[in-house]
Amino acid sequence: DAGVIQSPRHEVTEMGQEVTLRCKPISGHDYLFWYRQTMMRGLELLIYFNNNVPIDDSGMPEDRFSAKMPNASFSTLKIQPSEPRDSAVYFCASREKGLQQETQYFGPGTRLLVL
Amino acid sequence: GDSVTQMEGPVTLSEEAFLTINCTYTATGYPSLFWYVQYPGEGLQLLLKATKADDKGSNKGFEATYRKETTSFHLEKGSVQVSDSAVYFCALSDEGNQAGTALIFGKGTTLSVSS
Repeated sequence: DAGVIQSPRHEVTEMGQEVTLRCKPISGHDYLFWYRQTMMRGLELLIYFNNNVPIDDSGMPEDRFSAKMPNASFSTLKIQPSEPRDSAVYFCASREKGLQQETQYFGPGTRLLVL
Repeated sequence: GDSVTQMEGPVTLSEEAFLTINCTYTATGYPSLFWYVQYPGEGLQLLLKATKADDKGSNKGFEATYRKETTSFHLEKGSVQVSDSAVYFCALSDEGNQAGTALIFGKGTTLSVSS
């Protein structure tokens, strides 16, 4: 299996621009998670989906952030407009359905720098 | 709510030294416990896990025992290598009878091993 795939791996943009991060979960996994990692805040859960439906978006910092999962094999995290404080590494992770299947499998991350 | 507390880093050791990274948790139910490792520039990888009290998870020479009486899941390795230099995250999942809750992560502990 190819694992969780994220693109782009690196993104540099200017303040005010729209940024779209992409994720392809492991085939057959029903849950998808978006995390943000910074030195100051550590690893933060932003939102997660079950069967393409958002379950908990309480970690999404502001209305500038939005996430979608149009099908089981693709999700996007969009920031519009971007700000320098959004600079971070964004991780996507997926897991199987069912009790006792809590192990999450992480992608390599997207390193975002907003100038 | 549920939470994970792990020791502050960085932890700096010489090669072949003994490693302990402390992790304690607070949970309302009977969580599963995890250690994830993040190597520089990469996503998080599952290192080991334990799903019930007194279980011992082990992988790549690392071990951790689920201690319900002390609510702890300390990570240990008898002889560290330079290649073990990474950030280590303790995490829990407290699903109970409802599958699909998110993992709760500690803040991470940076380990640096020198030769």
